[in-house]
Amino acid sequence: AQSVTQPDIHITVSEGASLELRCNYSYGATPYLFWYVQSPGQGLQLLLKYFSGDTLVQGIKGFEAEFKRSQSSFNLRKPSVHWSDAAEYFCAVGARSGYSTLTFGKGTMLLVSP
Amino acid sequence: GAVVSQHPSRVICKSGTSVKIECRSLDFQATTMFWYRQFPKQSLMLMATSNEGSKATYEQGVEKDKFLINHASLTLSTLTVTSAHPEDSSFYICSAFPDTGDTEAFFGQGTRLTVV
Repeated sequence: AQSVTQPDIHITVSEGASLELRCNYSYGATPYLFWYVQSPGQGLQLLLKYFSGDTLVQGIKGFEAEFKRSQSSFNLRKPSVHWSDAAEYFCAVGARSGYSTLTFGKGTMLLVSP
Repeated sequence: GAVVSQHPSRVICKSGTSVKIECRSLDFQATTMFWYRQFPKQSLMLMATSNEGSKATYEQGVEKDKFLINHASLTLSTLTVTSAHPEDSSFYICSAFPDTGDTEAFFGQGTRLTVV
């Protein structure tokens, strides 16, 4: 069965500092990988996704993520965090065939300090 | 990009009543839609897969008679919470895969259900 682990429940970063959110997955083959952001009381917005090709993926709002097969990781990064980035971030994995459901990690709440 | 509209965004109902939540794909057709439930400070848990023209597939532990899913058209799936109880209070989110073969699912904005 596929699973996603986000080891950090909360992370606090100073505005302007760099950010890395960790995500490890367990899957029998090469999966589709996603990062979503959720503001309080809102739905999910896709930040970026990895299907194949270049393992460094660029997303919206200045985010990027790197797929590392050897480490089963797909960590999300941003060089300079803005106060508006404060939100909950979810890593998700999906199967490569057909319409697949997504398995989500438990999420990481990002807090941005002045 | 593709848009999924979920309605209502918030609803408060009395115990014992039923509530219907709609999930619409506005600019694409979706044979398959998914319903998730999110508890406070928790991740999204898949409840069921909604298939147009056929019965929904429920995840283990989800009561199909309590959470009725109807996927009546290629752009609309509904989730009805029947005989709601306070423990059904939660955030419900739908997602849809475009029939064009896109491998990305698009999410609705969610529905906050409060049962009093």
